[in-house]
Amino acid sequence: EIVMTQSPATLSVSPGERATLSCRASQSVDTNLAWYQQKPGQAPRLLIYGASTRATGIPARFGGSGSGTEFTLTISSLQSEDFAVYYCQEYYNWPSYTFGQGTKLEIK
Amino acid sequence: VQLQESGPGLVKPSETLSLTCTVSGYSISSGFYWGWIRQPPGKGLEWIGSMYRSGSTFYNPSLKSRVTISLDTSKNQFSLKLSSVTAADTAMYYCARDRGGGFGYWGQGTLVAVSS
Repeated sequence: EIVMTQSPATLSVSPGERATLSCRASQSVDTNLAWYQQKPGQAPRLLIYGASTRATGIPARFGGSGSGTEFTLTISSLQSEDFAVYYCQEYYNWPSYTFGQGTKLEIK
Repeated sequence: VQLQESGPGLVKPSETLSLTCTVSGYSISSGFYWGWIRQPPGKGLEWIGSMYRSGSTFYNPSLKSRVTISLDTSKNQFSLKLSSVTAADTAMYYCARDRGGGFGYWGQGTLVAVSS
């Protein structure tokens, strides 16, 4: 079983600044990794798949990088609507999935 | 593409939770995997399982003994059954379309509580 660990659990960043969120896999998942954003009361929204490809309609300020076991989601110049919970998800053994526990991005 | 979950909001312990996802804007018989994900109150996301039009199913090993996912292509719906529920199964349940690496379309979710 692949375990996904996200850090930090909570990240406080000021609007306009850059946020860097991390996700680590317990074994290599190559680039079989997705990122989601979830706002209160809403379903998750797919941001990134294939570790670095933005989903349709996702702003360019969202960027994904990494491969193997270490991954990063970077949000440049944070907007007010970006404060939310972010989840990584591996699909190395697609169509089976494992989510990370989430990182809450809050306003500093 | 739109997805909408439906089903009872309250299930008794030891009984079977049954939910349906109605898909509009796309025929589920045309392709893609269709999945269920849940989220206990205040907690993270857990993939439950997915099914393809061919009938192939994949389940989370931790739930496999209790889960059944099925498709009804005539109604453009797919369903989730989770047996022998306990309070730990209380969660928001989402249906979603698998893009082949990530879920690109989601329903709004339906909250199911397990309580007597």
